[in-house]
Amino acid sequence: DVKVTQSSRYLVKRTGEKVFLECVQDMDHENMFWYRQDPGLGLRLIYFSYDVKMKEKGDIPEGYSVSREKKERFSLILESASTNQTSMYLCASFPSNTGELFFGEGSRLTVL
Amino acid sequence: QKEVEQDPGPLSVPEGAIVSLNCTYSNSAFQYFMWYRQYSRKGPELLMYTYSSGNKEDGRFTAQVDKSSKYISLFIRDSQPSDSATYLCAMSEVGRRALTFGSGTRLQVQP
Repeated sequence: DVKVTQSSRYLVKRTGEKVFLECVQDMDHENMFWYRQDPGLGLRLIYFSYDVKMKEKGDIPEGYSVSREKKERFSLILESASTNQTSMYLCASFPSNTGELFFGEGSRLTVL
Repeated sequence: QKEVEQDPGPLSVPEGAIVSLNCTYSNSAFQYFMWYRQYSRKGPELLMYTYSSGNKEDGRFTAQVDKSSKYISLFIRDSQPSDSATYLCAMSEVGRRALTFGSGTRLQVQP
């Protein structure tokens, strides 16, 4: 069964803290994505990666960075968290031969 | 203007009703069209996937794409309370890995 696992379901951080959100997939997919989901705005793409050590900016990369050292793992990093980064973060993966994105359960981040 | 527009709802219908969910888009390069369903506190899951124009049916669900009008629809027949969720449309261009999502329509099916 397909599985995308996000390490933390709920996090509360302070402004200025460094935040790591981790995502692991067990399907050997080449492509992995980080989206954020906000009411009224839908899902917006932050970064994606199509191979190990490869990354591309999405629509809203400012304030974020990513790391993909292994094929199965894609990390989202907030270098200095701000209150406007309070959101639901969704990780997803898909193989190159289909359009089906498989999503994790999401990580709800609150920055105080 | 957003690239993909979707009415946020909420849409409330009685059990057994036919539900129509819609999205409009502005990018004529979109060729792949998808509908995702998202239950509360869960990640989205793929419901329907179509390429270019036409209809696709899967059980109680039918997806329609009208590229000339830049309009896609999802119909749910004999709606059930278990269909209560947020429905997201998504689209992509050929050769582009990332999807562009609508903001989602929240559906509530009343028993």
